[in-house]
Amino acid sequence: EPEVTQTPSHQVTQMGQEVILRCVPISNHLYFYWYRQILGQKVEFLVSFYNNEISEKSEIFDDQFSVERPDGSNFTLKIRSTKLEDSAMYFCASRRDSYGYTFGSGTRLTVV
Amino acid sequence: DAKTTQPPSMDCAEGRAANLPCNHSTISGNEYVYWYRQIHSQGPQYIIHGLKNNETNEMASLIITEDRKSSTLILPHATLRDTAVYYCIVRVAYTSNTGKLIFGQGTTLQVKP
Repeated sequence: EPEVTQTPSHQVTQMGQEVILRCVPISNHLYFYWYRQILGQKVEFLVSFYNNEISEKSEIFDDQFSVERPDGSNFTLKIRSTKLEDSAMYFCASRRDSYGYTFGSGTRLTVV
Repeated sequence: DAKTTQPPSMDCAEGRAANLPCNHSTISGNEYVYWYRQIHSQGPQYIIHGLKNNETNEMASLIITEDRKSSTLILPHATLRDTAVYYCIVRVAYTSNTGKLIFGQGTTLQVKP
């Protein structure tokens, strides 16, 4: 069964550093998403991406965040200057049509 | 998107059916009921969705009441691996290029041996 692949599975970074979280969506999917989940809290929508541009973003997705699909296969989330409160699980997801999303297994980001 | 209400937690004996309820009394005619689950800290997993008819797939069955104000997800023979948080989400079909999901707190299902 096709999978959404996320790397790395765990990233530790120092506060103020830039991090890039990587995702390889399912190849024939058209819509791409990033979600995050702070430990013990709900899964929160960050951003959706379609046709090589952001189609919607949440209030969480401020100027410190950016997304890119650089080569038609990878989908990346960049956090420019990490804060302690950015520590969370980050999930990439993709979908092709009106059926369900496929989520990746997540990247655990720890900011120290 | 319509608001949903789910019990915070439920227990189920292994091998028995798990019936997870969801109330969505403000659902509108073009909104679907979607179910996802999250096992431990893994990414959410799509289970099933429906509009008004009952649906069944290899994972579960979805029963939607005639007035569509509530639904029940049924796992026919729960196993320990079905222990997870189950989310009921009501939204219009993914007709737009956003199609974001809004997750609530869900129901934590504990399957016990």
